[in-house]
Order: sequence, then structure tokens, then C-alpha cells
Amino acid sequence: GAVVSQHPSRVICKSGTSVKIECRSLDFQATTMFWYRQFPKKSLMLMATSNEGSKATYEQGVEKDKFLINHASLTLSTLTVTSAHPEDSSFYICSARERGPSTDTQYFGPGTRLTVL
Amino acid sequence: GESVGLHLPTLSVQEGDNSIINCAYSNSASDYFIWYKQESGKGPQFIIDIRSNMDKRQGQRVTVLLNKTVKHLSLQIAATQPGDSAVYFCAETYPPYGQNFVFGPGTRLSVLP
Repeated sequence: GAVVSQHPSRVICKSGTSVKIECRSLDFQATTMFWYRQFPKKSLMLMATSNEGSKATYEQGVEKDKFLINHASLTLSTLTVTSAHPEDSSFYICSARERGPSTDTQYFGPGTRLTVL
Repeated sequence: GESVGLHLPTLSVQEGDNSIINCAYSNSASDYFIWYKQESGKGPQFIIDIRSNMDKRQGQRVTVLLNKTVKHLSLQIAATQPGDSAVYFCAETYPPYGQNFVFGPGTRLSVLP
């Protein structure tokens, strides 16, 4: 299957700082990537849809100025958590849409564990 | 603050037994379904998919069954192993595929020795 990577896998930062998380599709081009947040023992919560070359589409309740998304190329989307606070601590997961002659599905990255002190 | 999410139902099975994980989907227009496996601290991993023109699809030790009449999807794991312990999510989607994914709440599978 398609491979999606995330970097970093784990990050600890101080309150008030900004953290950037990268999501890369390694063996396919993804015009669309997705960012999810997951709390312990909970399901995935879609935060935003990242479209290459255009603005991201945010889900209701997700602050676009706090969670900045950039999809500058067909293989890279970044999520920047600005002025992070302890309540932003979570597991952030990206996925990338792979479209082909016989497929159209999402493949997920390994996730990034963010801890804000 | 923490979002209001769904607490995961849990299925416990003995090692070597077969597991059946169920999922009800909501959209009659959904015609493509995927099962994902998520191990602790990792991202979801694609397991198997099925399109609505099929009612059964088999992979290695896994089988997905689709009942469109009652909008029900199931994942069967044969001879469950400790490494199968994880959370399993179903996802439904409809055109444009890959864009309109709706994930189920997930089921935690615990394999007992």
C-alpha cells in the first residue's frame, strides 16, 4: 500500500511556542491530504482538508488561525500549531488521498504525539 | 478542551478464535468501504476494502462482509493472534471518493492468551 510519513513522531514544547508537523506521501502524489486529531481512546476527529495549491477547508469548531495548514506540493502538507497550549496536547494524524485507475482511498501517517508543557 | 468523542466499544477474544467486528454505516449513497487497524501510538493502517457491487471480499486472514440492505459492514479475523490487538475503524465513502470519508467510532479488539 501507499506510504505516508509524518515528522516529527513526537514533540514536546513549551506553552506559547509554535510547532510544525509535516506530512509526506512517499510513493504517490496527493492533491488532497487530511489532518485529524485523536484523543486517548477516542475516534479520529477530522480537523481540516488540505488541498494542494489552495486554502485548507476547516471543520466546524477548528480555529484556522491556530492550526495553520499549508499544502505547497503534491507530496507535502504541513500543520502548524501556533501559540500552543496544554489543551493542544494530542495525537495528530495526517492522511493522504491516493487516486488511481482502481483506487481512491486515504492512507494514514504514523501520527505525531504533541505534548505542550 | 477535550472534544466530545465516542468511547470505544471493546471486543475480547481468545487467541486462536475468530473475531467479528461490526460496523453500521449511515449513508445509503456510500458505495466504498474500508477497514483500518490502529495500534497504540500509531496511525491507522489500511486493512481491506470493498465496493458496493460486492458483498464479500477476502484477504489474508481477514474477510469483509457488506450487507447493503441493513447498511452493515463486518470484519472477520480468522485465528486471532496477539498482534491483532488494536482499534479497528470502518470508513464509508461516496463520490468523490477519498474526499468524503466518514469514520465509525472504532472497536478495540483485545486478544486474550
